[in-house]
Amino acid sequence: KNEVEQSPQNLTAQEGEFITINCSYSVGISALHWLQQHPGGGIVSLFMLSSGKKKHGRLIATINIQEKHSSLHITASHPRDSAVYICAVSEVTGNQFYFGTGTSLTVIP
Amino acid sequence: GAGVSQSPRYKVAKRGQDVALRCDPISGHVSLFWYQQALGQGPEFLTYFQNEAQLDKSGLPSDRFFAERPEGSVSTLKIQRTQQEDSAVYLCASSLAGRDTEAFFGQGTRLTVV
Repeated sequence: KNEVEQSPQNLTAQEGEFITINCSYSVGISALHWLQQHPGGGIVSLFMLSSGKKKHGRLIATINIQEKHSSLHITASHPRDSAVYICAVSEVTGNQFYFGTGTSLTVIP
Repeated sequence: GAGVSQSPRYKVAKRGQDVALRCDPISGHVSLFWYQQALGQGPEFLTYFQNEAQLDKSGLPSDRFFAERPEGSVSTLKIQRTQQEDSAVYLCASSLAGRDTEAFFGQGTRLTVV
């Protein structure tokens, strides 16, 4: 049983392209997190959101609570954006996060 | 330091050996989480502490896994009699309050059991 599903699993883009990564979840949540993981590196939290939309630089995250869906957008993608992007949700009940399997993004110069 | 610190970054253990993985959370963070991430997979929950209390250990895969946070700050994840299937990245995260506040992750410890 996968509480969190991400798509696509792998994504290759040309530098400058607009990128969208999708996340769907099946549990009631109190918050959704978008995380970035570079190869061999740790995880960095990009966004935490429970409604609406957040923007940070070239990154935009949106969430639709009714549809249990979130998207992460990257505008004007750059090779340094190459990483694994992970969606995670905090369940309303319980103490843990549920994680998607990640989307591996490669941006080609 | 300002972030969550984990040590060691890399650990190679012979099968059957005991290992101890350390997590230094951000100072003042009440909540601490341990996750196991197998290659190509998303992190899987292991256990959760609120201060020194281990409130949830439902994700620990076997009784060979043990975690503690005796003073409510530094936490240690211990794996006894390691097996090859224990090879993974072990991630630690902390947050100021509960899971509804932003979580900060450490770099992880990559454990390889040979």
